Amino acid sequence: AAGVIQSPRHLIKEKRETATLKCYPIPRHDTVYWYQQGPGQDPQFLISFYEKMQSDKGSIPDRFSAQQFSDYHSELNMSSLELGDSALYFCASSLEDAGELFFGEGSRLTVL
Amino acid sequence: GNSVTQMEGPVTLSEEAFLTINCTYTATGYPSLFWYVQYPGEGLQLLLKATKADDKGSNKGFEATYRKETTSFHLEKGSVQVSDSAVYFCALSDQDAGGTSYGKLTFGQGTILTVHP
Repeated sequence: AAGVIQSPRHLIKEKRETATLKCYPIPRHDTVYWYQQGPGQDPQFLISFYEKMQSDKGSIPDRFSAQQFSDYHSELNMSSLELGDSALYFCASSLEDAGELFFGEGSRLTVL
Repeated sequence: GNSVTQMEGPVTLSEEAFLTINCTYTATGYPSLFWYVQYPGEGLQLLLKATKADDKGSNKGFEATYRKETTSFHLEKGSVQVSDSAVYFCALSDQDAGGTSYGKLTFGQGTILTVHP
C-alpha cells in the first residue's frame, strides 16, 4: 500500500540558508501534519492543513511557513536556518481532520 | 493544555521478559490514546490505540487499557523479543463530546527499549 512520502530524506544546510521539505500524503488523504523531532526528543506538532487550508498551528517558528497544494502535497519552508533547527521532520497524513495519522519516514535536516 | 508523561527510560530487558511502560496523561475533552513505535532510522508507526474509557488496544502481543480513573494508558507485553527494541511513544488526541477525534497528537517523551538475547 502507498505510504506517506517525504523528500529529501536527508538535507544538510548552513546557518542562515533556506530549506524546503516536501510531503506527499497517502492517496485520497486530505489532511497533512508536520512534526519536528529534535535529538532525543518527542515529536512536536508544527502545523496542519485540511483541504488546502491551515487547520491548526503549533510551535512553528515565524521563520517557517508551509502550505498544502491542490494535489494535497505539502511543503515546509524554513528560512534563516539556525543550528537548533537540526531535527527530524515528520509529515503525517489522514483522511479528514479526524482520522488516524500515518507518518512518513521523516526528513533529517542538519544545519552546520 | 494536553500533556503526556511516560516513565523514565531507557528500559533494558532480556528476551522473553515482561514489559511495562507507564504512560499517564492530562487532557481536556475526551482524548483518544495511542502508542507509536519508532524503529532505528524509521518513522513512527501506530502500534495500538483506544478511543474511550476501558477500551483495550492490542497488536503484536502488546496491550494497553484506557483507564480514565487513573488517566493512564500503560503499555504491556508478556514476552518481549529482540525485534521489539525501539523507541515507544505514548500520545493522545482530543475528541469532542460526539467522539470525533482531532488529528493533532501530543506525544510523551518516548521510552527507549532495548531487548538482549
